[in-house]
Amino acid sequence: GENVEQHPSTLSVQEGDSAVIKCTYSDSASNYFPWYKQELGKRPQLIIDIRSNVGEKKDQRIAVTLNKTAKHFSLHITETQPEDSAVYFCAASGGDDKIIFGKGTRLHILP
Amino acid sequence: DGGITQSPKYLFRKEGQNVTLSCEQNLNHDAMYWYRQDPGQGLRLIYYSQIVNDFQKGDIAEGYSVSREKKESFPLTVTSAQKNPTAFYLCASSIVASFSYEQYFGPGTRLTVT
Repeated sequence: GENVEQHPSTLSVQEGDSAVIKCTYSDSASNYFPWYKQELGKRPQLIIDIRSNVGEKKDQRIAVTLNKTAKHFSLHITETQPEDSAVYFCAASGGDDKIIFGKGTRLHILP
Repeated sequence: DGGITQSPKYLFRKEGQNVTLSCEQNLNHDAMYWYRQDPGQGLRLIYYSQIVNDFQKGDIAEGYSVSREKKESFPLTVTSAQKNPTAFYLCASSIVASFSYEQYFGPGTRLTVT
């Protein structure tokens, strides 16, 4: 079955700097890769997703890149702000029609 | 917030008791899901339902049961057979019955079993 590895588990960046979170997946048949953000005490919410027919997708300060050959995808947050502090989860689905989440990255934005 | 609700927010039970967690959605979504969230473990799929009166096991279904008698409702029962039931439980729904679409999460129920 699918396996998703997410790194790092914790990330601290200075406000205004960029943050990068990386995920790898094992099932080459996976074709949908969402990223969810979970603020403290709140529900996870989708922030961006990418499908396997696209290599990169951007939405303002957030971007996701996908390398199908290497089976990894990354979340890039530029010009980080205090409200970016949260736990971020990557996920992969499509292979056996289920979804597997990474274990999460806790992002701290330092003042 | 709104659209998908879970109750209660906190739940306490004694070991050996079954407990049912509520999940309701008014989004007219076809599919509903239950996840368990443990510290450092991400989200793990318990059960999912893509249509009324039908549901499938996820990756960690042992010790849990569900029903889907109405499109809007997908309750989860944590049975006494679940060996480590203390966790944060999240319900989700998606407009399309596929894992390859956005899932909308409820606020979660934190279950503590002692």
